[in-house]
Amino acid sequence: DVKVTQSSRYLVKRTGEKVFLECVQDMDHENMFWYRQDPGLGLRLIYFSYDVKMKEKGDIPEGYSVSREKKERFSLILESASTNQTSMYLCASSPPLGPSLQYFGPGTRLTVT
Amino acid sequence: GDSVTQMEGPVTLSEEAFLTINCTYTATGYPSLFWYVQYPGEGLQLLLKATKADDKGSNKGFEATYRKETTSFHLEKGSVQVSDSAVYFCALVSGSARQLTFGSGTQLTVLP
Repeated sequence: DVKVTQSSRYLVKRTGEKVFLECVQDMDHENMFWYRQDPGLGLRLIYFSYDVKMKEKGDIPEGYSVSREKKERFSLILESASTNQTSMYLCASSPPLGPSLQYFGPGTRLTVT
Repeated sequence: GDSVTQMEGPVTLSEEAFLTINCTYTATGYPSLFWYVQYPGEGLQLLLKATKADDKGSNKGFEATYRKETTSFHLEKGSVQVSDSAVYFCALVSGSARQLTFGSGTQLTVLP
């Protein structure tokens, strides 16, 4: 069974902290994605990666960075967390020619206080 | 740029009622269209898709037809169940894009 796992389901951090969200997939997919999900706004793409050490900005990259050192792992980094980054974060992966065939993790609900 | 507009929710229905969730899109070229579903506490799952005009995607009793003339991809189900309660997202990918464009999502609650 295909699987995308995220390191935490719930996370509470303080303003100014550096936050790492980890995502691991076991399907040998080239593409990996980070989204944030907010009520009324749907899913917005933060960053994606189509290969190891490659990354591209999505629609809302400000305040975030990413790291992809291994094919199966894609990390989202909040350099200095702020309250407006309180959200649900979803990771996904897909094969190279199948962006629609995205498999999603269960999400991390991050609260920044 | 590409965009997807979904009917606003939340939508509340009684069991066995007919469901329609409207979705319209703006895209360059000929996009592929999708419906994703997110059950409580879970990530998104692909529900159905259509890749060209007049295609009908179907799964689990849900259907949607790709209407190029009205740029729409409305989701329908003839008789909803309590277990269909979830958030539904319409999405598209066009041309050589590597990523999906999602609508804002529609929360569906089905009451027994």
